Amino acid sequence: AQKITQTQPGMFVQEKEAVTLDCTYDTSDPSYGLFWYKQPSSGEMIFLIYQGSYDQQNATEGRYSLNFQKARKSANLVISASQLGDSAMYFCAMREKGGSKAGNNRKLIWGLGTSLAVNP
Amino acid sequence: NAGVTQTPKFQVLKTGQSMTLQCAQDMNHEYMSWYRQDPGMGLRLIHYSVGAGITDQGEVPNGYNVSRSTTEDFPLRLLSAAPSQTSVYFCASKGGLAGNTGELFFGEGSRLTVL
Repeated sequence: AQKITQTQPGMFVQEKEAVTLDCTYDTSDPSYGLFWYKQPSSGEMIFLIYQGSYDQQNATEGRYSLNFQKARKSANLVISASQLGDSAMYFCAMREKGGSKAGNNRKLIWGLGTSLAVNP
Repeated sequence: NAGVTQTPKFQVLKTGQSMTLQCAQDMNHEYMSWYRQDPGMGLRLIHYSVGAGITDQGEVPNGYNVSRSTTEDFPLRLLSAAPSQTSVYFCASKGGLAGNTGELFFGEGSRLTVL
């Protein structure tokens, strides 16, 4: 079963508007972390933002914020004031922190990504 | 700041050939990993290492070998390349300091085509 679901294969947004990229997750581990990465057309993976399962407040990093709804198991990325340079693939990922085997708590589970196009 | 350096960036192989993708990081990270990225499949973990001398398998380890003789280097070896190994490969590392969010630092990727 898919543990990270990104239901929007492609999204369009007008420059300067805000956009929300959806991510839902499935875990029974009470301790986990959620990540968003950006992959522009040049190919590199760029870390954007992190939310811990025990964090009391939603994470923010500049124009990026994470709408974390723990009961609904969703961790949507909100990009405010979109810029042309925001056009990219965006990946949601989860790291479960449990497990007895060394290294298990460091594995990331990835969604399939959402392609965002920012229109001028 | 070099970060994570992967070489080569592009490679074309014939079926059955062997090659090594190099990965080096200069951040003294304990954890290093290799992913492959395929359309519609997302990123899949091939192998990972939590320190020098320690390696373990990820989701899709078949056809790949790794070793970790130093903290800095984590090469990925394809012993007998197959067309199914055509992909973009990413090396990524992570520090282990307490309080660190634990984000992965990625190399720029290596695009491999197996004919």
